[in-house]
Amino acid sequence: DTEVTQTPKHLVMGMTNKKSLKCEQHMGHRAMYWYKQKAKKPPELMFVYSYEKLSINESVPSRFSPECPNSSLLNLHLHALQPEDSALYLCASSQDRAGLNTEAFFGQGTRLTVV
Amino acid sequence: AQKVTQAQTEISVVEKEDVTLDCVYETRDTTYYLFWYKQPPSGELVFLIRRNSFDEQNEISGRYSWNFQKSTSSFNFTITASQVVDSAVYFCAPIIQGAQKLVFGQGTRLTINP
Repeated sequence: DTEVTQTPKHLVMGMTNKKSLKCEQHMGHRAMYWYKQKAKKPPELMFVYSYEKLSINESVPSRFSPECPNSSLLNLHLHALQPEDSALYLCASSQDRAGLNTEAFFGQGTRLTVV
Repeated sequence: AQKVTQAQTEISVVEKEDVTLDCVYETRDTTYYLFWYKQPPSGELVFLIRRNSFDEQNEISGRYSWNFQKSTSSFNFTITASQVVDSAVYFCAPIIQGAQKLVFGQGTRLTINP
């Protein structure tokens, strides 16, 4: 099973809403990632979790709050977002930290629209 | 710092043609890894290949082949006898050992026309 599952697939939320994106993998991977991808742009790294601890935060605004409840799950809590935060949010996982000769597997993403 | 350039923004070919996607990277490190990913319209990034900087052997996987030239810092991807299902955005991504970051190039949008 080389699957990373993201829910929901689509999400529309208002600027005052609170919502969460979920990501799950059962490959025993110990590193998990959140990427943000705007239309016609490459994915941009947001957060990296390694062994359930946040290891990289790419200066992401605090209205995005990641959480790693266990080694299989990764959440992204959203609050007070802006319309410019509308994008495809991709979750990925890898055997170990990126850079240690290991590829990352990606989910299909959550397409978020902020209205 | 590391940088990757995919100079071809869009490529359009007719089915069965061969097509090469270019990737040039910059790094001062001696140990690094290079990746190619495919992103079809569904949005999921599909892993295609990983190479390390010590292995300059070219690789072939079915209709796909990769040409790694360390001397020119290039890692080009060729699709032979292209098919409509190959239509996607292809990303080249280098990673420096220990950097923990997979940094994507701008991508090349490949359209295969029937």
